[in-house]
Amino acid sequence: QVQVQESGPGLVKPSETLSLTCTVSGGSISDYYCNWIRQPAGKGLEWIGRIYSSGSTTYNPSLKSRVTMSVDTSKNQFSLKLRSVTAADTAVYYCARRSRFGDLFLDAFDIWGQGTMVTVSS
Amino acid sequence: DIVMTQSPDSLAVSLGERATINCRSSQSVLYNSNNQNYLAWYQQKPGQPPKLLIYWASTRQSGVPDRFSGSGSGTDFTLTISSLQGEDVAVYYCQQYYSTPPTFGQGTKVEIK
Repeated sequence: QVQVQESGPGLVKPSETLSLTCTVSGGSISDYYCNWIRQPAGKGLEWIGRIYSSGSTTYNPSLKSRVTMSVDTSKNQFSLKLRSVTAADTAVYYCARRSRFGDLFLDAFDIWGQGTMVTVSS
Repeated sequence: DIVMTQSPDSLAVSLGERATINCRSSQSVLYNSNNQNYLAWYQQKPGQPPKLLIYWASTRQSGVPDRFSGSGSGTDFTLTISSLQGEDVAVYYCQQYYSTPPTFGQGTKVEIK
């Protein structure tokens, strides 16, 4: 059974870069899409972007100028970097797998990590 | 972006009674070439990540109890819990995957009356 887990610093200073890692266990990440989704406390869900195991990325236009995603297949890990953070970036950050329906990959998310809380504060 | 709007924001239902949550998209999420609605529903319990309940608007994910059902097409959708159980207390989200970026509704909190 595939499982995913996010990790990274829980506190980031304003204007600095948030860096998180998503580790996939229980399976290979070949032919795998990792999505990053965030949720401010008590609020809704915002899709940040996705990365395929080949390294191909798609970002939310609202965050595109600040986001970089990468993959390390040797470690079964995906990474998220969000630059120039502000208090508005304080949230729980999730990595989630893009679902596969037959031959189709679609942006419904069937496996989620537990999430990691990131606070932006000096 | 497609805007997803849920109603109500919260509802309280007695155990064993029906709970109904509505979701409306700002444009159709029905893909004509395969006649599928690109709409999913999630359940999120406190301190947990969302859990995929339903996709294609009405197909239950494996392991989801059959008291959960989804319906609707185009721009208007409904999640129904036919007989509310205590473990169903959660926030429910609809989400469209018709276009990028995928977007979520604001959530509906379901409580026990």
